[in-house]
Amino acid sequence: QQQVKQSPQSLIVQKGGISIINCAYENTAFDYFPWYQQFPGKGPALLIAIRPDVSEKKEGRFTISFNKSAKQFSLHIMDSQPGDSATYFCAASDDYKLSFGAGTTVTVRA
Amino acid sequence: EAGVTQSPTHLIKTRGQQATLRCSPISGHTSVYWYQQALGLGLQFLLWYDEGEERNRGNFPPRFSGRQFPNYSSELNVNALELEDSALYLCASSFNRGKAFFGQGTRLTVV
Repeated sequence: QQQVKQSPQSLIVQKGGISIINCAYENTAFDYFPWYQQFPGKGPALLIAIRPDVSEKKEGRFTISFNKSAKQFSLHIMDSQPGDSATYFCAASDDYKLSFGAGTTVTVRA
Repeated sequence: EAGVTQSPTHLIKTRGQQATLRCSPISGHTSVYWYQQALGLGLQFLLWYDEGEERNRGNFPPRFSGRQFPNYSSELNVNALELEDSALYLCASSFNRGKAFFGQGTRLTVV
């Protein structure tokens, strides 16, 4: 059972555009929500993370928006660049494990 | 500072054999997590070790097992290998349920 639901499965964006990936969860015990970026053949790299007491966190071109009441969070990639083409995973953590969404493959067209 | 290191990078085994995968966490990290990433699929949680103890395991058969050593490094063992065990096996480490950092993975191919 997927504890974290992620959408879309894939998206294509033009260079300079905005990529938006959404995630939803049910387990209210989750208290830490990271995003990971993965390139083919590599391990996932931690991109940005948020805790539920904050509604938004921004690091460079990457922003997490968090809606605790709706149990949803999203990643916005501003000014998307070809080097951002990768698979992005949202995740949520409780006392027992880090649960991942199914991933979103982002393709940035030059 | 060294990141999470996994060995070997690639491993080819025959169906029915055993595979042993190793992980060295970031210095100071006491938790090690193992994930399986089959082709085209997401990250499936396998095992979590913390302070030498198995804290949680995912929905995998008992032939997937492991351990954590006193220096916090970890080993994942897969017995009686099946073709569908072919995947990228990822190890991550963290301290006190903080940020988890992943290694580059071990690509296991079962033929």
